[in-house]
Amino acid sequence: AQSVAQPEDQVNVAEGNPLTVKCTYSVSGNPYLFWYVQYPNRGLQFLLKYITGDNLVKGSYGFEAEFNKSQTSFHLKKPSALVSDSALYFCAVREVDSNYQLIWGAGTKLIIKP
Amino acid sequence: DAGVTQSPTHLIKTRGQQVTLRCSPKSGHDTVSWYQQALGQGPQFIFQYYEEEERQRGNFPDRFSGHQFPNYSSELNVNALLLGDSALYLCASSWTTGDTEAFFGQGTRLTVV
Repeated sequence: AQSVAQPEDQVNVAEGNPLTVKCTYSVSGNPYLFWYVQYPNRGLQFLLKYITGDNLVKGSYGFEAEFNKSQTSFHLKKPSALVSDSALYFCAVREVDSNYQLIWGAGTKLIIKP
Repeated sequence: DAGVTQSPTHLIKTRGQQVTLRCSPKSGHDTVSWYQQALGQGPQFIFQYYEEEERQRGNFPDRFSGHQFPNYSSELNVNALLLGDSALYLCASSWTTGDTEAFFGQGTRLTVV
């Protein structure tokens, strides 16, 4: 069965420091991987995706993520955090060629302190 | 481009009633998916529509049904509402190819009392 784990309910980072939000996944075949961000009372906004190719993908607002097949991980990173990055972050996976639905993690609340 | 639009934004219903939620996809998108997001949780897949047919369904009872129209817009219907159906309902649109990202509406907050 497909699954996504975000092991941290909350991540606290000081403004200007690097941030990492962790995600691991489980699928039978090859994955498509996604990160989304959700602000209060809003829908989900796409940040970045891994489809194939370079393991380091760059996305919106300075975020990037590294795909690690051996560790089945897709951690979200940013070199220098901003207070405005504070939000709820979701990792999602879809199995290539065999499934249409996105499987989501439970989300990680990111708090950036000034 | 208006992106994905959902209506209404908020809704309060009584147990046992029926509700219809609506979604207009982003321009050019032909696939619509519906998700239920309970408070403090990640979205759960309800179903996906493509070419006016339900292409895949998640683990939701038959009380949840949907429809896609020729203009790709979609409706989600929930019958015999339960208190546990209270959630944020998200519509997502995309192109049908699997490697494209989904774009989400702002959601409909359904409260069942």
